[in-house]
Amino acid sequence: SQQGEEDPQALSIQEGENATMNCSYKTSINNLQWYRQNSGRGLVHLILIRSNEREKHSGRLRVTLDTSKKSSSLLITASRAADTASYFCATGPFSGGYNKLIFGAGTRLAVHP
Amino acid sequence: SQTIHQWPATLVQPVGSPLSLECTVEGTSNPNLYWYRQAAGRGLQLLFYSVGIGQISSEVPQNLSASRPQDRQFILSSKKLLLSDSGFYLCAWSVSGDLEAFFGQGTRLTVV
Repeated sequence: SQQGEEDPQALSIQEGENATMNCSYKTSINNLQWYRQNSGRGLVHLILIRSNEREKHSGRLRVTLDTSKKSSSLLITASRAADTASYFCATGPFSGGYNKLIFGAGTRLAVHP
Repeated sequence: SQTIHQWPATLVQPVGSPLSLECTVEGTSNPNLYWYRQAAGRGLQLLFYSVGIGQISSEVPQNLSASRPQDRQFILSSKKLLLSDSGFYLCAWSVSGDLEAFFGQGTRLTVV
């Protein structure tokens, strides 16, 4: 089962533009994370936002969280061709006695030079 | 520092053959360990997770099994592979199930 659902599924932009990806989730959370995956590689953690935070920044990344709407967004500003990758949100809902990290379907971002 | 090793990187196996993928973690103790599978262009499906030696939880019914014979070793196995077992398998670890996870580089399995 998937806890998070991202949209859009795919996004194509030009270098220098901003890229916004959205994520919705179903159950209550302690935090929400965003990861990046280059083609054929493992995932790399980008940022974690706690449930009591509304916005968080890291370099060119800006993440927002709206727990009332069970949604989050990832904004990449001034995109570069090297930002081309898939981006996933993830949450760790408590189920069966443990927190288990569940990922959404991801957004494939293509940044064209 | 902590590192995670996953091998092999690619594997081509005939239908009906056994499978063993290994994942080891260094530099931490009692990690939460995960096996995920990713179909082409899709998200990650959680297959198994473990919070300790010998403690394995299966998320979906399938042809695969997992074992954790040592604290920092997680093995994904199958007695007889099916075509539908093809995919990209990722091992990961975290301190807790809702905190940052660290991923191996993945194994691309093709069952022919």
